[in-house]
Amino acid sequence: DAGVIQSPRHEVTEMGQEVTLRCKPISGHNSLFWYRQTMMRGLELLIYFNNNVPIDDSGMPEDRFSAKMPNASFSTLKIQPSEPRDSAVYFCASSPNIGTGEHYGYTFGSGTRLTVV
Amino acid sequence: GIQVEQSPPDLILQEGANSTLRCNFSDSVNNLQWFHQNPWGQLINLFYIPSGTKQNGRLSATTVATERYSLLYISSSQTTDSGVYFCAVRWNQGGKLIFGQGTELSVKP
Repeated sequence: DAGVIQSPRHEVTEMGQEVTLRCKPISGHNSLFWYRQTMMRGLELLIYFNNNVPIDDSGMPEDRFSAKMPNASFSTLKIQPSEPRDSAVYFCASSPNIGTGEHYGYTFGSGTRLTVV
Repeated sequence: GIQVEQSPPDLILQEGANSTLRCNFSDSVNNLQWFHQNPWGQLINLFYIPSGTKQNGRLSATTVATERYSLLYISSSQTTDSGVYFCAVRWNQGGKLIFGQGTELSVKP
């Protein structure tokens, strides 16, 4: 298993540009999570999906952020327009289904380091 | 919401020393994981341990769910153990994994 795959690994963009981050979860994992890591706020959950359906997006900072999961093997996190304060490392994670009462661990991708100048 | 507190926030060790990291959480949980974030930023899952004790080489972890804490033991530390250790818990409801602020470990040769 290749694990959770994120792309790109690094992204440098100018303020105002659209940024799209991509994630491929582990095959068979039904839940997918997007986290953001900054020095000030640590690791914070932005949104998570269960069976491709968004369950909780209360962590999405504002309307400039949107996330989609069109199928079980792909998700995107989009920022439009980007701002310097969006600079952070964005992690994607997946886990087996949370709805059955069986709880298993999360696996994280390698992250995307976003810099908005 | 649930609170996750880790201690100590920073730790400096000489290579070969042992250490214990602590994680306290404020409510019942059905998942607890320990992660190591290495100097390259990768988050590596160390243990999935909602209760009981597990060991993996020089690392071991114990969670006492009734008393709402977990401990991570590192024995015979090596420079490659350096990085930030995070404890994260999942509530009884929902799938959110809530992270503590981490313990930054530096192992000196």
